[in-house]
Amino acid sequence: GNSVTQMEGPVTLSEEAFLTINCTYTATGYPSLFWYVQYPGEGLQLLLKATKADDKGSNKGFEATYRKETTSFHLEKGSVQVSDSAVYFCALSVGTGANNLFFGTGTRLTVIP
Amino acid sequence: NAGVTQTPKFQVLKTGQSMTLQCAQDMNHNSMYWYRQDPGMGLRLIYYSASEGTTDKGEVPNGYNVSRLNKREFSLRLESAAPSQTSVYFCASSQVPWNEQFFGPGTRLTVL
Repeated sequence: GNSVTQMEGPVTLSEEAFLTINCTYTATGYPSLFWYVQYPGEGLQLLLKATKADDKGSNKGFEATYRKETTSFHLEKGSVQVSDSAVYFCALSVGTGANNLFFGTGTRLTVIP
Repeated sequence: NAGVTQTPKFQVLKTGQSMTLQCAQDMNHNSMYWYRQDPGMGLRLIYYSASEGTTDKGEVPNGYNVSRLNKREFSLRLESAAPSQTSVYFCASSQVPWNEQFFGPGTRLTVL
């Protein structure tokens, strides 16, 4: 089946620390991979995506590389800010149906000054 | 553009009561979705509408009904609320089913 496993939180980091949030997936077929971010009190918004192997998605200083050999899509940022405090969701989509987006359970990140 | 809007933002119901959650999008998207978000479980798809005039069940449809009123609006109805339906509900839309989804701000529902 299709599923996403991401590291459990919560994660607490000091400002300017390096961030990694692990995400691995299983998929029937060739998925597209996404990271969504949910800021407090808001809905999810797309942070970055990658649609084929070895693609790197990037946005707002965050990066993730689609690794087919390890079925992973880890999220990284070199220097986090307090404003990055949010819940991060890894997700995959397979095929062209409307019910094809599968989310991980989310990882809460808190950045302290 | 307002994007995806949802009403209400908060609601408290008693067991057995009914209510409708409203969702509207102004991006001319074809596909719309209803998810629920529960702690430790991520987002789970309740119902979706791939295009105007069609609706289909998602992963957790029991206890819910939906109506795609027109291209802009997609409502979710709880006919007889149960405590297990306490959750945060998100509406989303996308241009086509397999593209990026845009989410509303959510409705926090508590069923006592």
